[in-house]
Amino acid sequence: SQQGEEDPQALSIQEGENATMNCSYKTSINNLQWYRQNSGRGLVHLILIRSNEREKHSGRLRVTLDTSKKSSSLLITASRAADTASYFCATDASGSRLTFGEGTQLTVNP
Amino acid sequence: DAGITQSPRHKVTETGTPVTLRCHQTENHRYMYWYRQDPGHGLRLIHYSYGVKDTDKGEVSDGYSVSRSKTEDFLLTLESATSSQTSVYFCAISSSGGAGDTQYFGPGTRLTVL
Repeated sequence: SQQGEEDPQALSIQEGENATMNCSYKTSINNLQWYRQNSGRGLVHLILIRSNEREKHSGRLRVTLDTSKKSSSLLITASRAADTASYFCATDASGSRLTFGEGTQLTVNP
Repeated sequence: DAGITQSPRHKVTETGTPVTLRCHQTENHRYMYWYRQDPGHGLRLIHYSYGVKDTDKGEVSDGYSVSRSKTEDFLLTLESATSSQTSVYFCAISSSGGAGDTQYFGPGTRLTVL
């Protein structure tokens, strides 16, 4: 089974709104990463948060990590149509081997 | 796509035939990975390499073999393709492979086994 599980599986919002995606995982981790995948393309790294960090920002992205609940959230503020993509969390409990969740499909309607 | 190419990009083959997918990088990264992506399963690691001639199995390695004779090339072989191996295959690379290392992905190969 997957280490990380995203929630919701699909999210549809209007341009300008905020989008929040959640990731839960099972075992202790060193770091958690978020990736984006546009349709028909490979994954692109967005942000990494270490296990001793609680929150991290990068542009319109805000990631939180709660190791006591084994969960993370990705917030995209002021969403744009170009943010339409699938978003995956990945954990590295196994060192060099990342374990990916099934992803959240985000649709931002113009 | 960070200097990573995959070939072919699309392939249709028949059950029982051998298939080899190639991943080529120009970044001189030590680690290379093969994943498959299927609806409902996300990305699953097939095999990975931590150096020339050094490889290890991932989560779903049965039916697949890999080889890495040069830093820049990582080959994935399906010795006898089955319909369950119909999938999109992604290659990824990373520099150190350590905890917290970012992976960079290729554009993917869509494989259909009839």
